[in-house]
Amino acid sequence: EIVMTQSPATLSVSPGESATLSCRASQSVTVNLAWYQHKAGQAPRLLIYAASTRAAGIPARFSGSGSGTEFTLTINSLQSEDSGVYYCQQYNNWPRGFGQGTKVEIK
Amino acid sequence: QVQVVQSGPEVKMPGASVKVSCKASGSPYPFTAYSFDWVRQAPGQGLEWMGCISAYNGNTWYGQKFRDRVTLTRDTSTGTIYLELRGLSRDDTAMYYCARDLLEVAAAGNWGQGTLVSVSS
Repeated sequence: EIVMTQSPATLSVSPGESATLSCRASQSVTVNLAWYQHKAGQAPRLLIYAASTRAAGIPARFSGSGSGTEFTLTINSLQSEDSGVYYCQQYNNWPRGFGQGTKVEIK
Repeated sequence: QVQVVQSGPEVKMPGASVKVSCKASGSPYPFTAYSFDWVRQAPGQGLEWMGCISAYNGNTWYGQKFRDRVTLTRDTSTGTIYLELRGLSRDDTAMYYCARDLLEVAAAGNWGQGTLVSVSS
């Protein structure tokens, strides 16, 4: 089973600044990685798939990069509505697993 | 516009079973073109992938901890996906999400509203 590890656990960022979230896989998942945003009381939302492709309707300030075992989600010009927990998930192998999440707080 | 609608909240006794349904609408492609995932979130915890079912042929894949207690099924006549979880314990109290994968990749693109399952005596 592939283990997904995210860092940091919590990120506190001021509006307008950038946030960089990391995700590491215990073995290569090639580019079969997705990022989700989850806000309290809502369903998760797909942000990025195939490591770097933005899902439909996702603003350009969200970008993903990486391949193999190391991945990054960057949120530029952070806005108040970007607060929430961000999860990476690999879908290269069964079972598909999520990282433990990074909580993004807006200062 | 795609909508994924799940059945309503459930309250169950320990040891009981629960069956949650999920139906997607508003898609330009047939129901059988997609796969569906089930993900849960217990209070204060992160997202936990439970399993996936292909609506095309009913093939299923499960997370290791759910293999003995979860069954995913689909009804092609109604375009509905089902999650059955047996042997409920208080640790199964969680919000359960159904999500439809994208056509081109196995990322969960459309999510249901969630179904709260509470297990209490």
